[in-house]
Order: sequence, then structure tokens, then C-alpha cells
Amino acid sequence: EPEVTQTPSHQVTQMGQEVILRCVPISNHLYFYWYRQILGQKVEFLVSFYNNEISEKSEIFDDQFSVERPDGSNFTLKIRSTKLEDSAMYFCASSRMTSGSQETQYFGPGTRLLVL
Amino acid sequence: SQQGEEDPQALSIQEGENATMNCSYKTSINNLQWYRQNSGRGLVHLILIRSNEREKHSGRLRVTLDTSKKSSSLLITASRAADTASYFCATDAFGGADGLTFGKGTHLIIQP
Repeated sequence: EPEVTQTPSHQVTQMGQEVILRCVPISNHLYFYWYRQILGQKVEFLVSFYNNEISEKSEIFDDQFSVERPDGSNFTLKIRSTKLEDSAMYFCASSRMTSGSQETQYFGPGTRLLVL
Repeated sequence: SQQGEEDPQALSIQEGENATMNCSYKTSINNLQWYRQNSGRGLVHLILIRSNEREKHSGRLRVTLDTSKKSSSLLITASRAADTASYFCATDAFGGADGLTFGKGTHLIIQP
């Protein structure tokens, strides 16, 4: 069964450094998402992406964050200057249909980011 | 309560027993999804129930949805040790917004 994959599984970085988290969504899916889960807290929506542009973003997704689909398979989340509070598990998800919230969102295994 | 709040927060039962988890939400929805998360791992989709559905089954899972009470329940029958995990409900917003809103989850422990 097709899966969403994410790399790396773990990333440790120094505060102020840039990080890029990578995701390969399921191949025939059209909607892509990033979520994060701070340790012990809820999973929070960051951004959705469709047709090569941001469809929706939450208040968390400020100017420090950006997303890109650099080629036909990868979907990336960049954090320009990491802060301690960016430490979290970051999940990529994808869904098949154009109206993302009305279809199942399939999640990747996550990237655990630790900012020191 | 906030959108997508589960209760109980934690549940410990004996293997073979049934486990019931509840979710309440505040705004109108298109659908409600249940996910499982093993400790420190990714989210595994279990079941999606649409707002015009009242009950749905998948293997040992049974989900109900009561839109008048803005609540859903997840029943796992004949529980197994491997069912030990956190279970989350996630809702969309009726306006067709993309992002799912997750609850804090129910941590289920199955005692062998």
C-alpha cells in the first residue's frame, strides 16, 4: 500500500539555523499538508498546499516557514531560523481529492526536530 | 470543550475487553476521522465517518457519529496488546477548510 515518507526521521540543529524537512506524498494525491506536534501536545495544522501554491495556513505558519514542491515527487517544509520552540515532531500528510478536508489525510511517520 | 476533545484522557483495560473512546466537537463538520499513534510514531488513519453517516465499521472498529450532540465514539472490540496506543479524533471545519483539528487524544493501555 502506498505510504507518505519523510526524511530525515530525526534532525538536531542549533538555534538560528535553517532546516529543510522533506516528504514524498502518495503519488496520485493532489493535496499536501504539514502538521506539527510539540511533545505532549495536540497535533496542529500548519499549512496545506495544492496546485503549487499554499491553499491554507494557520497562525503558526509565520514568515519563518515556507513550503515548496521542488519537483514532481518531493514536498518540503523550510524553517529559516529555528527557535527552541520549533522543537517538535513534524508530520507531512497527503490526500487524494481537491477538497482536502473531505477526504482521508494520510500521514507520514514524522520528523522529530530538536533545536538546541 | 475545544474542537475534537476526546475522553477519557487515559484508559486501561484487560486484553479481550472492549474499549470505548469518545470525542466531542463544537462546530459543524463535513467529516470526522479517527487516528492511532503508537508512542513517538506517526499517525495511522483508522476510519473516516461523514456527517451524513451514523455508524461505520472496519474490522474490530466501530465508529458512531451523532451530529445533534456533536459527538463521536470509537469502539475497539476484543482488544489486543497491540492496540495499546493513543487515539485521536480529527475534525474538519464545515466551510471546507483544509486543516484538520485534532484533540488531545485518549491513551489506551491494554493489559495482557
